[in-house]
Amino acid sequence: EAQVTQNPRYLITVTGKKLTVTCSQNMNHEYMSWYRQDPGLGLRQIYYSMNVEVTDKGDVPEGYKVSRKEKRNFPLILESPSPNQTSLYFCASRRQGTAYNSPLHFGNGTRLTVT
Amino acid sequence: AQKVTQAQTEISVVEKEDVTLDCVYETRDTTYYLFWYKQPPSGELVFLIRRNSFDEQNEISGRYSWNFQKSTSSFNFTITASQVVDSAVYFCALSFIQGAQKLVFGQGTRLTINP
Repeated sequence: EAQVTQNPRYLITVTGKKLTVTCSQNMNHEYMSWYRQDPGLGLRQIYYSMNVEVTDKGDVPEGYKVSRKEKRNFPLILESPSPNQTSLYFCASRRQGTAYNSPLHFGNGTRLTVT
Repeated sequence: AQKVTQAQTEISVVEKEDVTLDCVYETRDTTYYLFWYKQPPSGELVFLIRRNSFDEQNEISGRYSWNFQKSTSSFNFTITASQVVDSAVYFCALSFIQGAQKLVFGQGTRLTINP
């Protein structure tokens, strides 16, 4: 089954404790991206990657890191989480090519709480 | 600036009523795509429809229909004979050539269908 898999689904942590949210896709998509969803703000892009070893900042990259060492994986790293990073996070992927018209395939989301 | 506005934060209707979710967008591009996504209570994001800027034909899929009007920069979504399973948050999103590496999302509309 074609899918984007995120782990964990739920995570509660404390301020300053490094964490990684994993994302893996099995559709051989070149493009992957991370979004965060907050009430009243919709979804905002954190980082994206157009292919292996190619990453770039989205609209809200502060406090986050990513890496793309393999095509299928795109982990989101919070080196020192803070309470304002409490949010619902989504990983997404799609084919590259005519990127602007390809629908994103989303993972099931990771709800992160930082206390 | 590229922007999507969903002015209706929450809508509540009784089952079997028709309901329309509004989406207004801003872009200077002449070529762009519009999307609708559904987020049910389980949290995942489900792709519903994609429409390009050159195709103003309305689309119908079962009880769902979409009305795209470039003259008013709107891409409204109507659910006919609503059902409880339609309860979800619905997001409208915009993709354009210059910003091909992200979708710009509206704030979302929470739709509640009461039995």
